[in-house]
Amino acid sequence: NAGVTQTPKFRVLKTGQSMTLLCAQDMNHEYMYWYRQDPGMGLRLIHYSVGEGTTAKGEVPDGYNVSRLKKQNFLLGLESAAPSQTSVYFCASSTQGADTQYFGPGTRLTVL
Amino acid sequence: AQKVTQAQTEISVVEKEDVTLDCVYETRDTTYYLFWYKQPPSGELVFLIRRNSFDEQNEISGRYSWNFQKSTSSFNFTITASQVVDSAVYFCALSDGSGGYNKLIFGAGTRLAVHP
Repeated sequence: NAGVTQTPKFRVLKTGQSMTLLCAQDMNHEYMYWYRQDPGMGLRLIHYSVGEGTTAKGEVPDGYNVSRLKKQNFLLGLESAAPSQTSVYFCASSTQGADTQYFGPGTRLTVL
Repeated sequence: AQKVTQAQTEISVVEKEDVTLDCVYETRDTTYYLFWYKQPPSGELVFLIRRNSFDEQNEISGRYSWNFQKSTSSFNFTITASQVVDSAVYFCALSDGSGGYNKLIFGAGTRLAVHP
């Protein structure tokens, strides 16, 4: 039982490049989330999903897209990376919205 | 609006000291949940506790204890006899029904440094 895993762990992009971050969970959770963590700001919700095939915007969705084609996977895409998207990205999952969210190990993204 | 305030940005203590991390929250809902997470230097987020708004009993888990007071909208976290391994950033978070789902609102975190 791996819990929540994220791929890749580190990535460096140039401005304008695109990439996809993959989150996978093996706990059969319905809800999945993508957060970004910036110094001094805690974690902020980018997008979330309440079940397979659904996605919704969080607090800071601009510049990101997501997809949840399979229940266990939640993908975060950056179509045209900008330096402001340099951050640590965390994926999380929970059985339902009010339940405990369990986090992946994070992906450190640098956009030059 | 929901908000979580962790006024202590950084705390530095010497091993074996007790330390309390403050958390003050704002919400209009009567049903909500409060959480604490630990982020050690390795970077992962470790779940510590979840408390619902109807349960004001204090909780103790080993050297950790939590004091929930609805009257002051606070959910403080105390580490007794701190150890170097407690050095981490600690986040308090709030989940309520705002916006149609229970989103998690994080405080900015408190960085705890425990020195030998």
